[in-house]
Amino acid sequence: KQEVTQIPAALSVPEGENLVLNCSFTDSAIYNLQWFRQDPGKGLTSLLLIQSSQREQTSGRLNASLDKSSGRSTLYIAASQPGDSATYLCAHRRSNYKLTFGKGTLLTVNP
Amino acid sequence: GAGVSQSPSNKVTEKGKDVELRCDPISGHTALYWYRQRLGQGLEFLIYFQGNSAPDKSGLPSDRFSAERTGESVSTLTIQRTQQEDSAVYLCASSPGTGTQETQYFGPGTRLLVL
Repeated sequence: KQEVTQIPAALSVPEGENLVLNCSFTDSAIYNLQWFRQDPGKGLTSLLLIQSSQREQTSGRLNASLDKSSGRSTLYIAASQPGDSATYLCAHRRSNYKLTFGKGTLLTVNP
Repeated sequence: GAGVSQSPSNKVTEKGKDVELRCDPISGHTALYWYRQRLGQGLEFLIYFQGNSAPDKSGLPSDRFSAERTGESVSTLTIQRTQQEDSAVYLCASSPGTGTQETQYFGPGTRLLVL
């Protein structure tokens, strides 16, 4: 059974700090790996999608990496801001359409 | 343009009652997904619709759960004889297709509380 694990479960940092969120997965057969952001009362917003042939993707202050051999992905957030406070979810996709999600990391950025 | 919408946003019901949750996907999106997110848990896949193909119902937790989709538009998730363990946020998502670079666009969810 595919499992996706995210650590830490919660993280609190002061504004301006760089931080790394971790995601590990047990299934090495991977189509792509996605990072989502979830705000209270709202749906998920896709942040970055890394194809299985790629090692990383960047969008603004966000950088996501993928290491298939070790079953790990990281989301790096540079110069964090209070508006970055949210729950961050990683999702593993196999060759079909199903996404397997981790439980998420609750990030709080303090002004 | 408009995103995925879901209704109601919140639903409180009594154990044993039936509930119906609605999802309006993004226009033109052929694929539609339902997920469940219980407190402290990751999102669980429930069901997938793609065009006129037979839906993948492999994630439905019991026969009390069913879902329908009319063509490539609205979908309804029905839970019969609700139980307290059905309390969760039910999220709907849609995508243009299922290509490797295509992401799923999520609605805000319906928060269901079964008393």
